[in-house]
Amino acid sequence: GNSVTQMEGPVTLSEEAFLTINCTYTATGYPSLFWYVQYPGEGLQLLLKATKADDKGSNKGFEATYRKETTSFHLEKGSVQVSDSAVYFCARTNTGGFKTIFGAGTRLFVKA
Amino acid sequence: DTGVSQDPRHKITKRGQNVTFRCDPISEHNRLYWYRQTLGQGPEFLTYFQNEAQLEKSRLLSDRFSAERPKGSFSTLEIQRTEQGDSAMYLCASSFRRGQDTEAFFGQGTRLTVV
Repeated sequence: GNSVTQMEGPVTLSEEAFLTINCTYTATGYPSLFWYVQYPGEGLQLLLKATKADDKGSNKGFEATYRKETTSFHLEKGSVQVSDSAVYFCARTNTGGFKTIFGAGTRLFVKA
Repeated sequence: DTGVSQDPRHKITKRGQNVTFRCDPISEHNRLYWYRQTLGQGPEFLTYFQNEAQLEKSRLLSDRFSAERPKGSFSTLEIQRTEQGDSAMYLCASSFRRGQDTEAFFGQGTRLTVV
């Protein structure tokens, strides 16, 4: 089964709203955690990452903190823009770190 | 180097035909991955190479699928006797193994439609 679970979308927000997309994972060991973003018509891009517990990844105003105690890596942004509309994928590496396991994705729509 | 490139971007084929996709990874990357993504789902791992060695294949990769990376650079993914269920986006990614830092860089994918 899928070992990365993220909240179902779509999520629809108004511009400047606060965003949270929840993500939890199951894993043995200490995987690296990632958020990827897929803008309309484009390929997957790495948004941010964290490689050990309590690390905070950040990029373009987005943040996520590696919480080992809750096995979570929730994505947050304080003020979303229309240009943030995309599909967001939470992901982790497997034990051994050679492949990436993805959640199902959460589509975000931001309205002006 | 502009990143991972895949060719073609789109392929429409009739059921039963064979198709081959190509991936050119970032030049210094020693690992190359193939994923499949269907509508509304995240990418699913198919196989990966370290240099020219294919080190793991998913159970998703039936015997109609074969992947090669003959010189440890570009890779090809071939699907024989295509079926409608093979319709998906096929993604290639590459990475450079360096400690825990194994983030993968993805190409834009090849969208396969089997009619």
